[in-house]
Amino acid sequence: GAGVSQSPSNKVTEKGKDVELRCDPISGHTALYWYRQRLGQGLEFLIYFQGNSAPDKSGLPSDRFSAERTGESVSTLTIQRTQQEDSAVYLCASTPGRISYNEQFFGPGTRLTVL
Amino acid sequence: DQQVKQNSPSLSVQEGRISILNCDYTNSMFDYFLWYKKYPAEGPTFLISISSIKDKNEDGRFTVFLNKSAKHLSLHIVPSQPGDSAVYFCAASGDSGYALNFGKGTSLLVTP
Repeated sequence: GAGVSQSPSNKVTEKGKDVELRCDPISGHTALYWYRQRLGQGLEFLIYFQGNSAPDKSGLPSDRFSAERTGESVSTLTIQRTQQEDSAVYLCASTPGRISYNEQFFGPGTRLTVL
Repeated sequence: DQQVKQNSPSLSVQEGRISILNCDYTNSMFDYFLWYKKYPAEGPTFLISISSIKDKNEDGRFTVFLNKSAKHLSLHIVPSQPGDSAVYFCAASGDSGYALNFGKGTSLLVTP
């Protein structure tokens, strides 16, 4: 079946502009995660959605970052007033259940470059 | 603060030999560990995992060893193949049960 998809694959934007990144999880997966990987770094957890529960936003680096998810489907990550330090690959993952004992299935990522 | 550390950014191994990738962690609450493999322009893919109640897990050519007292785990690939060339990430969970803490990765190159 189809894996996790993300769009766009690449996004170049100017400092100060807003960007919206999209993630389509695997159908039937109730849990969805956003991570960020900056150059030379590991993946940083950003936010977690599980079903209709309140999301865990503890990893969001600032209030310029927000994410939404409609039910158990598409999620969008929005970065307002982008800064150069926001440049990174943004990865989305999904799992069938709430715990990471289930392997997380990752999308290919969106490479964001802020000029 | 990096709770999962992969201190070797790169490793080069000849085809047929053993590749050993190392990972250290600082948080004693971590109770589940995973290795992911990543090719360029693709997302990470799950490779193998181990629970803290075990000290070894094997899957084909891949074996993960866990030393809880040393807070250290390693991934062994035997025999290494050129197709194994990729970046390998060590990850751990435990505090929340869902968010993974990743190391910075080790780039493995297997030469023919």
